[in-house]
Amino acid sequence: AQSVTQPDIHITVSEGASLELRCNYSYGATPYLFWYVQSPGQGLQLLLKYFSGDTLVQGIKGFEAEFKRSQSSFNLRKPSVHWSDAAEYFCAVGLNNDMRFGAGTRLTVKP
Amino acid sequence: DTGVSQDPRHKITKRGQNVTFRCDPISEHNRLYWYRQTLGQGPEFLTYFQNEAQLEKSRLLSDRFSAERPKGSFSTLEIQRTEQGDSAMYLCASSRDGDQPQHFGDGTRLSIL
Repeated sequence: AQSVTQPDIHITVSEGASLELRCNYSYGATPYLFWYVQSPGQGLQLLLKYFSGDTLVQGIKGFEAEFKRSQSSFNLRKPSVHWSDAAEYFCAVGLNNDMRFGAGTRLTVKP
Repeated sequence: DTGVSQDPRHKITKRGQNVTFRCDPISEHNRLYWYRQTLGQGPEFLTYFQNEAQLEKSRLLSDRFSAERPKGSFSTLEIQRTEQGDSAMYLCASSRDGDQPQHFGDGTRLSIL
């Protein structure tokens, strides 16, 4: 069955530190991969997407993600976190309009 | 690009009442999607439209849920005879086609008293 797993429910990092959020998926074929961010009471904003090609993709706000087929992973990274990055982050996988989201990782940024 | 617009932002109603939410997608987007998001979870897909055609509705949560997109522009999601368990955020998204990323609205938060 198709599924998306975000192993970390909550992560706390200090401002200026690096960040990696994990995402693993189980799918019958290589799906499209996405990372979205959600601030409280708001909808989801697309950070980046992977459809094909270069497995390292760049997104908005200084985020990047790397697709590793052998590990069925699509981890999100940022070299230096800003206080405004505090939010909920969702990994999503989709194929043929079947979009599945992980349960999310809540990021707290310490000053 | 004015973004996806949802109305109302918040809806409080008594159990057993019917509610209807509206979604206005980005104007050139053919695809429109509805999701439900409960606290601490990611969005859960409910249904989607290609223009005015509803192409997937088997994942609507029960027969109390229905959606329309009569002219291929805005869409409505109706919940009849609301129950406590319907309390959630209802999100709408749109995309140009099935291979493009979905753009989300800010959602309608439903609270059932």
